[in-house]
Amino acid sequence: KQEVTQIPAALSVPEGENLVLNCSFTDSAIYNLQWFRQDPGKGLTSLLLIQSSQREQTSGRLNASLDKSSGRSTLYIAASQPGDSATYLCAVDSNYQLIWGAGTKLIIKP
Amino acid sequence: GAVVSQHPSWVICKSGTSVKIECRSLDFQATTMFWYRQFPKQSLMLMATSNEGSKATYEQGVEKDKFLINHASLTLSTLTVTSAHPEDSSFYICSARRTSGSSRTDTQYFGPGTRLTVL
Repeated sequence: KQEVTQIPAALSVPEGENLVLNCSFTDSAIYNLQWFRQDPGKGLTSLLLIQSSQREQTSGRLNASLDKSSGRSTLYIAASQPGDSATYLCAVDSNYQLIWGAGTKLIIKP
Repeated sequence: GAVVSQHPSWVICKSGTSVKIECRSLDFQATTMFWYRQFPKQSLMLMATSNEGSKATYEQGVEKDKFLINHASLTLSTLTVTSAHPEDSSFYICSARRTSGSSRTDTQYFGPGTRLTVL
């Protein structure tokens, strides 16, 4: 059974720092992995989607990597800003279902 | 980009009443829609998969008689929480799958969510 874990559960860093969020999964047989952002009390915004054949995807200050063999993905945020404060979720498309991590709550301090 | 809407965005109801939540794909047809729920500080959990014109497929542990799903058209799916109780209070999110020929590259577009509070 696929399980997705995100570490850390919460992270607080000063503005301007580069940071990495981690996502691990137990079954490497995935079709894709997505990173989402969720603002308090709101829905989800898709940030990046990495197909199983890809190693990384980039969008602006965000870079997501995927290592299927080790069951890991990272989301790198460069030059963090207070507006980046949110909960970041990763989800694995596995066996026609999205399996979700519990998220990392990120706080960027001005 | 594709847009999915949910209505209402939040609802407060008394215990024992039923609440209907709508999920609409605004600019594309979605043969499949998904319903998720999220408890505070927990992961999103898939409740059911809704296919247009057929019965929904519920995940293990989800009561189909309590959470009624109707996917009557290619742009609308509804979730009705029947005889709601305080433990049903949660954040409900829907998503719609936009088909692109190859089902394995389909993208799910998520609605903004509905916060249900049952008193």
